[in-house]
Amino acid sequence: DIQMTQSPSSLSASVGDRVTFTCQASQDINNYLNWFQQKPGKAPKLLIYDASNLETGVPSRFSGSGSGTDFTFTISSLQPEDIAAYYCQQYDDFPPTFGQGTQVDI
Amino acid sequence: QVQLQESGPGLVKPSETLSLTCTVSGGSFSSSYWSWIRQPPGKGLEWIGYIFYSGITNYNPSLKSRVTISVDTSKNQFSLKLSSVTAADTAVYYCARGGGLLDVWGKGTTVTVSS
Repeated sequence: DIQMTQSPSSLSASVGDRVTFTCQASQDINNYLNWFQQKPGKAPKLLIYDASNLETGVPSRFSGSGSGTDFTFTISSLQPEDIAAYYCQQYDDFPPTFGQGTQVDI
Repeated sequence: QVQLQESGPGLVKPSETLSLTCTVSGGSFSSSYWSWIRQPPGKGLEWIGYIFYSGITNYNPSLKSRVTISVDTSKNQFSLKLSSVTAADTAVYYCARGGGLLDVWGKGTTVTVSS
């Protein structure tokens, strides 16, 4: 299985801050990389697909970049409602696998 | 707007079979893949398997010997069976649209394995 490693596992920032965290795949995943947001007690919500494409209806302060094995997720201006766990997920190889998550707090 | 809803028992005894159903509404059931994913308490996400509306399946090798996913296109439903469960199978179980790109999720249902 492809291992997905997220860093850091948690971070704390202030409202309005630019927040960035990373996801590294154990092998090239050809940009088949998605980012999810999960709030407590809720299902994951797709934010970014195929490394850099913003899902319909998702605020533009969220973005993704990267290629090959190294990917970055950015919140350009952190808002209180962005407090959540964020997961990366690859689907280039079977089975699809998730990172362990990055918890974002204020 | 496609919506998914999981249903099934919230408590299963060890060694028995966990059975869940996902009902899809508000969109096209055909021509899509449909997945099951689970999340143990306080832990990360694990993809269980998917089924195409035609009935083609693919399972996570780590669970393959215990998993069966089936589909009922007449009811816009797909189902999960996980046999010989243990406490390690206690989790929130989600259904989602897609096989790899999971773009719509159900709210999830908690299944506890305990005697």
